[in-house]
Amino acid sequence: QQQVKQSPQSLIVQKGGIPIINCAYENTAFDYFPWYQQFPGKGPALLIAIRPDVSEKKEGRFTISFNKSAKQFSLHIMDSQPGDSATYFCAATLFGNEKLTFGTGTRLTIIP
Amino acid sequence: NASVTQTPKFQVLKTGQSMTLQCAQDMNHNSMYWYRQDPGMGLRLIYYSASEGTTDKGEVPNGYNVSRLNKREFSLRLESAAPSQTSVYFCASSYRDGNTIYFGEGSWLTVV
Repeated sequence: QQQVKQSPQSLIVQKGGIPIINCAYENTAFDYFPWYQQFPGKGPALLIAIRPDVSEKKEGRFTISFNKSAKQFSLHIMDSQPGDSATYFCAATLFGNEKLTFGTGTRLTIIP
Repeated sequence: NASVTQTPKFQVLKTGQSMTLQCAQDMNHNSMYWYRQDPGMGLRLIYYSASEGTTDKGEVPNGYNVSRLNKREFSLRLESAAPSQTSVYFCASSYRDGNTIYFGEGSWLTVV
């Protein structure tokens, strides 16, 4: 059962562009939404996370936008760089719950 | 540096063979996990352990067994490998709140 739907599956953006990755969830009880970044040959690593008491969270060039009524959240990368090329996973869970439900991942390529 | 270490990195098995993936973390985390990653499927939880001596099934537990040997170590066993178990396996750990999950670098398993 796929409770977190992620799109697109792959994305190619020119350097300096703003890639946007979208996720939608079904369980209205979810209240913690992290994004993980995975480089080739490595394990995923936490990038940024948001709770639904705010509609936006920024950390450096990475921003999460959250729409509680639509049950959607998205990741934006400002001034994207080739070093941002990686696979990005969104996830959702109940805050404090140890089991995350992951999206299917987006392979992002930033071309110079 | 704190880490999650998993072995082996690469393994080829014949159908019906058995093997154990080993995992150890040095961050004094309570919770440990085994995920598998397949193209287009994202990260799916196989088994989870909230503490030493306890284990719980995840989304895709069939064909696997686990053992939480102590607080540091969590192993995954394939008793009779099948081609459908060809995948990349990630061990992970977190504090009990699960807000940040730390992943190992993965084990690439091919079953022929």
